Amino acid sequence: GAVVSQHPSRVICKSGTSVKIECRSLDFQATTMFWYRQFPKQSLMLMATSNEGSKATYEQGVEKDKFLINHASLTLSTLTVTSAHPEDSSFYICSARDIELAAYNEQFFGPGTRLTVL
Amino acid sequence: AQSVAQPEDQVNVAEGNPLTVKCTYSVSGNPYLFWYVQYPNRGLQFLLKYITGDNLVKGSYGFEAEFNKSQTSFHLKKPSALVSDSALYFCAVTNYGQNFVFGPGTRLSVLP
Repeated sequence: GAVVSQHPSRVICKSGTSVKIECRSLDFQATTMFWYRQFPKQSLMLMATSNEGSKATYEQGVEKDKFLINHASLTLSTLTVTSAHPEDSSFYICSARDIELAAYNEQFFGPGTRLTVL
Repeated sequence: AQSVAQPEDQVNVAEGNPLTVKCTYSVSGNPYLFWYVQYPNRGLQFLLKYITGDNLVKGSYGFEAEFNKSQTSFHLKKPSALVSDSALYFCAVTNYGQNFVFGPGTRLSVLP
């Protein structure tokens, strides 16, 4: 149980284009999903928290117009990197919090998406 | 504010020897502590967690960790390391109503 998927696992795009990454909770409902960014050999940095049916909360320094987050259902959140540039190249990881385990804040992590912007 | 320290960037251990990856934390209230492992170009894999109860927590792949409240530590241990344990290990802390805070990670290399 508690499986989170991400699609695509790897994407290469040209500078200036937009890329959408999907995060799905496969066997549980997630009122809250999280998006992290990880640079090589570094820890995970929280970008934003998305709650189903409401606007995402972005961490300081994260451009909300560049990283659009939609959490339209209890099992799906999407991150769209708009007008991508090479400096947006990174490993993006989502996680989801199970409604029933919310008291312990436990998060279940997706396998990540490697974005490369040429 | 919550914080996690993993004082060692790199831990090297010979195969078959015991391993320890250190983690200390700072949090207000009761901590919920987690260990994750990450292989190259992969997401985080859950190893174990401490929420409440017994201070010694047993997890996946033979790993265990001991919650020490007085030392605010949650070190990860394994009695006999395998080459396949070589990976990046993250400690994380949270508590009720708070986001996860991850440590900087420790790279474990198990030498054959």
